Amino acid sequence: GAGVSQSPSNKVTEKGKDVELRCDPISGHTALYWYRQSLGQGLEFLIYFQGNSAPDKSGLPSDRFSAERTGGSVSTLTIQRTQQEDSAVYLCASSFWTGGIQAQHFGDGTRLSIL
Amino acid sequence: TQLLEQSPQFLSIQEGENLTVYCNSSSVFSSLQWYRQEPGEGPVLLVTVVTGGEVKKLKRLTFQFGDARKDSSLHITAAQPGDTGLYLCAGPIQGAQKLVFGQGTRLTINP
Repeated sequence: GAGVSQSPSNKVTEKGKDVELRCDPISGHTALYWYRQSLGQGLEFLIYFQGNSAPDKSGLPSDRFSAERTGGSVSTLTIQRTQQEDSAVYLCASSFWTGGIQAQHFGDGTRLSIL
Repeated sequence: TQLLEQSPQFLSIQEGENLTVYCNSSSVFSSLQWYRQEPGEGPVLLVTVVTGGEVKKLKRLTFQFGDARKDSSLHITAAQPGDTGLYLCAGPIQGAQKLVFGQGTRLTINP
């Protein structure tokens, strides 16, 4: 389909390993967001990309977290030296910003489990 | 600082009952949105309200934006098991092209 695609859908890794999560946004959407959602909780903003502007990294919880968006399309979220508290669902969303009102379209997330 | 507070956090009711969930803030928002998230999936936008006092209906769901644009409510009439999910409100942060989300209301409708 033409929705937001995230991969992998599930990732289990050992504490201390690095992980990369991928997001393919909807074609033509200029904005891309990463969120973290702990079990049963709301969404915690991590980082936001808008066109060619510098990303808003204000939500990244530590310097172990980083993200890139290549060519204004695909994005990867990297977590280095993973810790057990990094276990969560990582959601990606894209949107087309129109006059201050946006509808964010979400992928189904990557469920990350740190052993 | 949590800019959007949702209540209740959890609600479990029987099929056929009515319910209301709330989204409140001390800040004024230019618009507010409601999303529904089902297990294993990402949130899906239900509605955007943009005018103070606005009421929007989506089948059995009625959304209202407060006159002062600081709060919103979602009312469900004759709830059905298919309404089960996590309901999230969200609003744009002034001066920034991003949304802040409430912590959600987890709704369970029992057959």
